[in-house]
Formats: sequence, structure tokens, C-alpha cells
Amino acid sequence: DAGVIQSPRHEVTEMGQEVTLRCKPISGHNSLFWYRQTMMRGLELLIYSNNNVPIDDSGMPEDRFSAKMPNASFSTLKIQPSEPRDSAVYFCASSPTGGAGYGYTFGSGTRLTVV
Amino acid sequence: DAKTTQPNSMESNEEEPVHLPCNHSTISGTDYIHWYRQLPSQGPEYVIHGLTSNVNNRMASLAIAEDRKSSTLILHRATLRDAAVYYCILRLPNDYKLSFGAGTTVTVRA
Repeated sequence: DAGVIQSPRHEVTEMGQEVTLRCKPISGHNSLFWYRQTMMRGLELLIYSNNNVPIDDSGMPEDRFSAKMPNASFSTLKIQPSEPRDSAVYFCASSPTGGAGYGYTFGSGTRLTVV
Repeated sequence: DAKTTQPNSMESNEEEPVHLPCNHSTISGTDYIHWYRQLPSQGPEYVIHGLTSNVNNRMASLAIAEDRKSSTLILHRATLRDAAVYYCILRLPNDYKLSFGAGTTVTVRA
């Protein structure tokens, strides 16, 4: 199993541009998570989806952020327009279910820099 | 939410065991105890979890106190690759959220 695959690994963009981060979860996993990590705030949950349906998006900073899961094997996190304060490492994770009986598998992350 | 307390940092020598403590005195009867680690420039990695009984897997062992108010993650023989930040996290059975604290930074000396 290749694990959770994220792309790109690094992204540098100018303020105001649209950014799309991609995630391929582990096949058969029904739960998908997007996290963000910064030095100041640590790891924060942005959004949780189960069976392709958003369940909790309370961590999404604002309307500039949107997450889509068109099918069970692909998810995107879009930021439009991007701002310097969005600079962070974004992680995608998947799990067989959202319950506590399972661990999550994280991808290697996308390091986003907005200049 | 029940909280966990971990030391900020620990040091170990290569090939020696590492015992990472976690205090969770307000744990509920149904909280699972999860451990993750994050190596430099990597995403968090699931290590192990348990509810009441001690658990072993290929990565580590989890020793849970009888009153469940504390637990210890045991790395049996530390390698340089085990240098990471280790997080102890409590989760209720239907709780999907992983709440990461500051964790314990483990340094392994060659």
C-alpha cells in the first residue's frame, strides 16, 4: 500500500492566487481529514469527511478555503484567494472509520508558502 | 475534554529502551489512549493505541496504569530513526478529532 499520497510536496505562490492541494487516501478508508500545521498553532483539524460527505468543517478558517471529495479516491483543498497567513504545512489523513478504534494514516504533507 | 500531560523532552542512547510517560488524570472510562509520532519534515505517524490492557505491536508497547490515569509508551530499542515528537492523545469511542498537544521531543544519541 502506497499510503496517503499528497501533491504537490511544496507550493510557492503569490498572494491572491488560487492554490489547490491534492490528496489520495488509502483505498477502502471511509474517513478523510485535512489538517494544518504551523509553529504558532501546531496541528489543527480543518475538515473531516466521511463517505465523501463533509461532517465537520468548523476548522476551516474562512470562506476562502473549500474542500471537495468528488469520489472516494481523491480530495482537494482549495484556497482562493491565498494570503501570506495561509503559509503552513497541510496534511491529509485517512482512516477506515472516524472512530477511536483505529489509527489515522497521514500523508507527507504539502508545504505552502504564500509570498 | 480530558487532557494529557507529557514532558517537553527526553533523551536516550541508541539501542537503549525509551519510556515516554503520559498523565491523563481526568480520563473517562471510555477514552482510548492513542500515541502518534512526527519525524522531522514528515506527517504524524500512528504508533499504537489501547483502552485498558497493555498493547504491543511491531513499533512499540503501551503500558496502561491500572487506574488508567497514566500510561507509558515503550520503545524497546531506540534507533536514530526514532528521534521525533511523540504525542499522547485521548479519544472517546466516536470522537473523530485528534487533538495534538505539544508532545515530547525525543532525542536519540548515537
